[in-house]
Amino acid sequence: KAGVTQTPRYLIKTRGQQVTLSCSPISGHRSVSWYQQTPGQGLQFLFEYFSETQRNKGNFPGRFSGRQFSNSRSEMNVSTLELGDSALYLCASSFSSGAPEAFFGQGTRLTVV
Amino acid sequence: DAKTTQPPSMDCAEGRAANLPCNHSTISGNEYVYWYRQIHSQGPQYIIHGLKNNETNEMASLIITEDRKSSTLILPHATLRDTAVYYCIVRVAGFQKLVFGTGTRLLVSP
Repeated sequence: KAGVTQTPRYLIKTRGQQVTLSCSPISGHRSVSWYQQTPGQGLQFLFEYFSETQRNKGNFPGRFSGRQFSNSRSEMNVSTLELGDSALYLCASSFSSGAPEAFFGQGTRLTVV
Repeated sequence: DAKTTQPPSMDCAEGRAANLPCNHSTISGNEYVYWYRQIHSQGPQYIIHGLKNNETNEMASLIITEDRKSSTLILPHATLRDTAVYYCIVRVAGFQKLVFGTGTRLLVSP
């Protein structure tokens, strides 16, 4: 069965722009979580969506937002990009919020210049 | 903040057992111990989890102390492909939020 698909894999944006990243979970999975990974802060939880509802949110500014569609695909948006937003953004898919195992995608590497 | 403490790095010879320790002295009764690993340039991969009993699967074994304040992940026969950063995480059941610490960088050498 297909894994978690994140698009695009690589992205270069300019400061002040906004960006949308996409995540297609494993078929049948209804929970999607997003993480940011940087060399300085490591892996940090952004938010989790389940059945189109945000269930949990990490400590990030409001410039970071997300949504989930009825087919469980999820998008995250970052507005007014800053240099510090350069990171690997990872999406994780789970059958449910309570499922023990989360399956991660390969990530989208965002570079802000 | 992460609720776990791990050594920053460990070395292991190929074919030998790798024993990765983790301290989680403030773990609550409803929190599970999870292990993930991240091979360079890939997303983290689930390895194993447990509540209070020892667990084993095809990848590894998890030994949790009786007081649940620490645990050890055991890779019984490490291979070069096991070189990765290993994260020990405590997670409340019912929520997908994973709080990653700095992990242990395991280097398996020939």
